[in-house]
Amino acid sequence: DAGVIQSPRHEVTEMGQEVTLRCKPISGHDYLFWYRQTMMRGLELLIYFNNNVPIDDSGMPEDRFSAKMPNASFSTLKIQPSEPRDSAVYFCASSLRAGPNQPQHFGDGTRLSIL
Amino acid sequence: GNSVTQMEGPVTLSEEAFLTINCTYTATGYPSLFWYVQYPGEGLQLLLKATKADDKGSNKGFEATYRKETTSFHLEKGSVQVSDSAVYFCALITGGGNKLTFGTGTQLKVEL
Repeated sequence: DAGVIQSPRHEVTEMGQEVTLRCKPISGHDYLFWYRQTMMRGLELLIYFNNNVPIDDSGMPEDRFSAKMPNASFSTLKIQPSEPRDSAVYFCASSLRAGPNQPQHFGDGTRLSIL
Repeated sequence: GNSVTQMEGPVTLSEEAFLTINCTYTATGYPSLFWYVQYPGEGLQLLLKATKADDKGSNKGFEATYRKETTSFHLEKGSVQVSDSAVYFCALITGGGNKLTFGTGTQLKVEL
């Protein structure tokens, strides 16, 4: 079975540009999560969706960040305008249902560098 | 709020050595506890979990026991291999929720 697929794997862009990260969850999974990983702050949950609806976006750092899930098989995380402090690895994860007995399956991440 | 504290790395061991990575937590209610592993260039993978006190999670020779009295979930392996080199994350979820709270991760390096 295909796992969570993220694209691109690497993105290098200049400050001020718009960045779009993409995620395809595992088919049939109802929950989708976006995380950010940095050396300073570790792994942080940014937002998660249930059945394409955003449930908790309290981790989104500021208005420059937005996430959408137009259908069950696709989600985007956008940063506009991007800043150097947004440089991080961004992970998408999905799970079948809610709760601790439903493990989250992670993609391989997008390594973002803002110059 | 919830928090997870892990021992700082990197931890460097020789092959076949015994491994312990300490993890303690603070949580409201009764959390479920997890260990995730991240190999270089990859996402996190669930290694093992325990959902109630005194449960032992185990997988691939790794074990961790949920100790409510010491609020700990230490990861152990009796004999590590070079292929175990990775970053290990302790994490928790409370109630029936979905929000994983992660520790900062501990890098393990195993040398021949």
